[in-house]
Amino acid sequence: GEDVEQSLFLSVREGDSSVINCTYTDSSSTYLYWYKQEPGAGLQLLTYIFSNMDMKQDQRLTVLLNKKDKHLSLRIADTQTGDSAIYFCAESPWGSSNTGKLIFGQGTTLQVKP
Amino acid sequence: DVKVTQSSRYLVKRTGEKVFLECVQDMDHENMFWYRQDPGLGLRLIYFSYDVKMKEKGDIPEGYSVSREKKERFSLILESASTNQTSMYLCASSPRLAGGPNEQFFGPGTRLTVL
Repeated sequence: GEDVEQSLFLSVREGDSSVINCTYTDSSSTYLYWYKQEPGAGLQLLTYIFSNMDMKQDQRLTVLLNKKDKHLSLRIADTQTGDSAIYFCAESPWGSSNTGKLIFGQGTTLQVKP
Repeated sequence: DVKVTQSSRYLVKRTGEKVFLECVQDMDHENMFWYRQDPGLGLRLIYFSYDVKMKEKGDIPEGYSVSREKKERFSLILESASTNQTSMYLCASSPRLAGGPNEQFFGPGTRLTVL
């Protein structure tokens, strides 16, 4: 079945770049997503990438997609303490366009040290 | 702004009690979802609904049921709460889009403790 895997924890210093990695199994996924969960809140969509793209940049965020290896990464440049959160990778499994179903990874807790 | 609200932020119940978690969205979304979030396990889908009165099992439906009588409201029911159902419960909704990304909008979560 579909599966999305992430490492659980990443610690960086303020001002450094953070790279959060994700692997997925469903090669027919049309979109891949990054969600952010701040303490005490629900998830919020951060960015997404269409499966025929290799890269997407949005201000400090860069998403890289390697379809051959089924690998997705999120790079945050100049990481700030406000970026401390849990980051979830997600994919739209095959046949999910009517239901809106997503498969989420375990979440990576990003700790930013001052 | 899309708003998804959940009836309680914190809830404490006793083993064997029947528990209702309510979720309401105000953006006329067709799809609604219930997840539970546990450390190290991420989000696991319990049930989802793609239309009124329609429901489908997710990955971990055992011990839960759902109800969707109105488009805006999706209820999660624990028929007989057990301690292993202590968790954070998250509700989400999304519009039905043909071919577009499946953005889900989340509520703030209900932290349920079963004693």
